[in-house]
Amino acid sequence: DSGVTQTPKHLITATGQRVTLRCSPRSGDLSVYWYQQSLDQGLQFLIQYYNGEERAKGNILERFSAQQFPDLHSELNLSSLELGDSALYFCASSPTGGQGRDTQYFGPGTRLTVL
Amino acid sequence: AQKVTQAQTEISVVEKEDVTLDCVYETRDTTYYLFWYKQPPSGELVFLIRRNSFDEQNEISGRYSWNFQKSTSSFNFTITASQVVDSAVYFCALSRAGNQFYFGTGTSLTVIP
Repeated sequence: DSGVTQTPKHLITATGQRVTLRCSPRSGDLSVYWYQQSLDQGLQFLIQYYNGEERAKGNILERFSAQQFPDLHSELNLSSLELGDSALYFCASSPTGGQGRDTQYFGPGTRLTVL
Repeated sequence: AQKVTQAQTEISVVEKEDVTLDCVYETRDTTYYLFWYKQPPSGELVFLIRRNSFDEQNEISGRYSWNFQKSTSSFNFTITASQVVDSAVYFCALSRAGNQFYFGTGTSLTVIP
């Protein structure tokens, strides 16, 4: 158990809908990262938040957004969902904002299925 | 540009055999970090090891060992006396300070009892 929690574990929804994925980092960690894992794209970095502020952006679509709250939990919002958004979404956390330098600890993931 | 290549897509071994998972990376940086993660069938990503570019010492942890060679830009992972519980997808990743993780495409290991 990495100490990172993600809810829900599974999510099934329809095209065009909006969903919110939630992540709580390990105790003491200030950074949260979001990743998408799909069969054709592999593991793709989406976005990083550090202590409430956006720190880095990767291959995140405009339909997707995230935020980190004062208690350091984070939410990833996916809107206007398409079939291709079906994937496993991971949250990871690390102690500081030093992306790249820190080890990232991953949560169990949320499996999103868009029908 | 940064890149990680895991050329072995799938490997099958019989239990108790040794197996080596290859990882080749590309980077122009002199300071960088390498990682291995394990993704068992249950889906979570489990951190195994982190190595800094300036530390080329090999590491052993139980049945796991890692061979880091800067001369060949490789960071290979060996499992000795494999067990069924080792069946998983293994990812190698590269990063540098201030930059994102770059993951390889993973190697799916199946250990046959």
